[in-house]
Amino acid sequence: RKEVEQDPGPFNVPEGATVAFNCTYSNSASQSFFWYRQDCRKEPKLLMSVYSSGNEDGRFTAQLNRASQYISLLIRDSKLSDSATYLCVVKGDAGNMLTFGGGTRLMVKP
Amino acid sequence: GAVVSQHPSWVICKSGTSVKIECRSLDFQATTMFWYRQFPKQSLMLMATSNEGSKATYEQGVEKDKFLINHASLTLSTLTVTSAHPEDSSFYICSARAAGHRDTGELFFGEGSRLTVL
Repeated sequence: RKEVEQDPGPFNVPEGATVAFNCTYSNSASQSFFWYRQDCRKEPKLLMSVYSSGNEDGRFTAQLNRASQYISLLIRDSKLSDSATYLCVVKGDAGNMLTFGGGTRLMVKP
Repeated sequence: GAVVSQHPSWVICKSGTSVKIECRSLDFQATTMFWYRQFPKQSLMLMATSNEGSKATYEQGVEKDKFLINHASLTLSTLTVTSAHPEDSSFYICSARAAGHRDTGELFFGEGSRLTVL
């Protein structure tokens, strides 16, 4: 079983739609959680951290469920520019290593 | 945000040659840099952790004699793919954590280097 699992997609949605991604992690001792965005053939960039109480940044909402060991990302009012791969990233309990999920590809269409 | 520069962006080489990739932190000091490899449609896989002034720590399954890492200064780490073969063709990305971001977990990535071995 992979340490961090995501549905690879692709998720094809029309502009304006709301879309949600889930991610599960296997290490119950994981400390920190993040969503990164990666455009095609580019480096990943931090989209947002995920806090236990849930957090929102504009059209993006992230939530963490420690009991079930999953993280979610909700994107409202999708834009064409949201098309990218979204990587779920988990920081373990030892050291500073980040473990990346396989990514979920989102394609927003006109 | 912190800037990490990686060079070269693209490299095509013949099988058997060695290729060096540089990773520089431009506006901060990075005591630790990370090297990742990403195959098409797959996620980033950590290859090694590069520590300034000491030997790199390699992940299981990564050959340290094939992927030589040198972190000679606080702003530069290099990855040398020795005797490259077609199966080494991949997207290699370095990243670094700025001192103030240690607890946030945010990594700043270089632009990546796409290696194609013929």
